[in-house]
Amino acid sequence: AQSVTQLGSHVSVSEGALVLLRCNYSSSVPPYLFWYVQYPNQGLQLLLKYTSAATLVKGINGFEAEFKKSETSFHLTKPSAHMSDAAEYFCAVSDPWGGATNKLIFGTGTLLAVQP
Amino acid sequence: NAGVTQTPKFRVLKTGQSMTLLCAQDMNHEYMYWYRQDPGMGLRLIHYSVGEGTTAKGEVPDGYNVSRLKKQNFLLGLESAAPSQTSVYFCASSLMGGNQPQHFGDGTRLSIL
Repeated sequence: AQSVTQLGSHVSVSEGALVLLRCNYSSSVPPYLFWYVQYPNQGLQLLLKYTSAATLVKGINGFEAEFKKSETSFHLTKPSAHMSDAAEYFCAVSDPWGGATNKLIFGTGTLLAVQP
Repeated sequence: NAGVTQTPKFRVLKTGQSMTLLCAQDMNHEYMYWYRQDPGMGLRLIHYSVGEGTTAKGEVPDGYNVSRLKKQNFLLGLESAAPSQTSVYFCASSLMGGNQPQHFGDGTRLSIL
């Protein structure tokens, strides 16, 4: 079955430090991949998506992610963390066997804390 | 831009009570989804709809029913609430196509006592 693994349920960085949030997926076919961010008491907001064009995808708020087929990974990075980046981040993959449904399979999330 | 609107935002129920959560989208999206979010488990799909008048089961459908009588609305019903259904419920919608992102509402926080 399709799955998404996010390594590290909690990640803490200092303000100005590199942010690296890991995501690995299992799929026998190239999937569509997404990163979402959730701020406290809010819904999920799209950060970026990979849809088989460029392997390095740039998103909002200075985030980017690189699709690596050989590693089945789609890690999220930001060169310099800001206090406002503190949130929970979810990686999601389109269900390749979902047919014309656009269903997503979500990872369990990574809570990012940014220390001053 | 309203996007996806969920009502109510908070609700407390007693075991055995019933209720309906409403999701409305103003983006003319064909697809709509209901998820539940529990700590450490990410989002799990309850039911979804690929068009007006159609619904289908997701990963965790037991104890829930849905209806999509109008394209812009997707209702989630709990016929007899149980404490295990205490959760945060999110509605989402999207255009057709696997590369289309889903757009989320702000959630409904439901507690079952």
